[in-house]
Amino acid sequence: EPEVTQTPSHQVTQMGQEVILRCVPISNHLYFYWYRQILGQKVEFLVSFYNNEISEKSEIFDDQFSVERPDGSNFTLKIRSTKLEDSAMYFCASSQQGARSGANVLTFGAGSRLTVL
Amino acid sequence: AQSVTQLDSQVPVFEEAPVELRCNYSSSVSVYLFWYVQYPNQGLQLLLKYLSGSTLVKGINGFEAEFNKSQTSFHLRKPSVHISDTAEYFCAVIAAGNKLTFGGGTRVLVKP
Repeated sequence: EPEVTQTPSHQVTQMGQEVILRCVPISNHLYFYWYRQILGQKVEFLVSFYNNEISEKSEIFDDQFSVERPDGSNFTLKIRSTKLEDSAMYFCASSQQGARSGANVLTFGAGSRLTVL
Repeated sequence: AQSVTQLDSQVPVFEEAPVELRCNYSSSVSVYLFWYVQYPNQGLQLLLKYLSGSTLVKGINGFEAEFNKSQTSFHLRKPSVHISDTAEYFCAVIAAGNKLTFGGGTRVLVKP
């Protein structure tokens, strides 16, 4: 079964530091997503990415966040200067078609837990 | 805007007993509905989805859900749970665009 791989599984960082979370989506998928879950809260949409550009983003995804597909396999989320409130589980997902198409669903990775001290 | 409410944050249940997890949504347009499960230390795995057609949807691991448009609900059921069903369950909706909106999750604890 193809899967979405995320690294690291857990990262601890100091406030103000830059963090890069990495994801390897399923190889024939074209749409990529980042979601996050703050402890005890809902899973929230951050951003979707298609054809090398952001297709949709939430109000959470401010200038401190950026996404990139630096090569044919990786999809990264960068937080430029981490804040305490960025502590969360970050999930990467991918889909073959757009989520609204319904026929294809999002496959999620196991998540990267970010702890900001 | 779309939103999802899961009415129960935790549901304790005995092994082999039935379970129902409640989910209500709001949207001004037609929706696609999903249930995901998250086992400990794992990612979100799709249990089932409703796109159109029959309102009773069957998924993996013996789960099923019923779409009720008039009640704007998509409750998840299993007639007999196993210890291995202990997990967190998330209801989610897509109404427009590519954004999947999740409910707050329901933690199911199956007791022997």
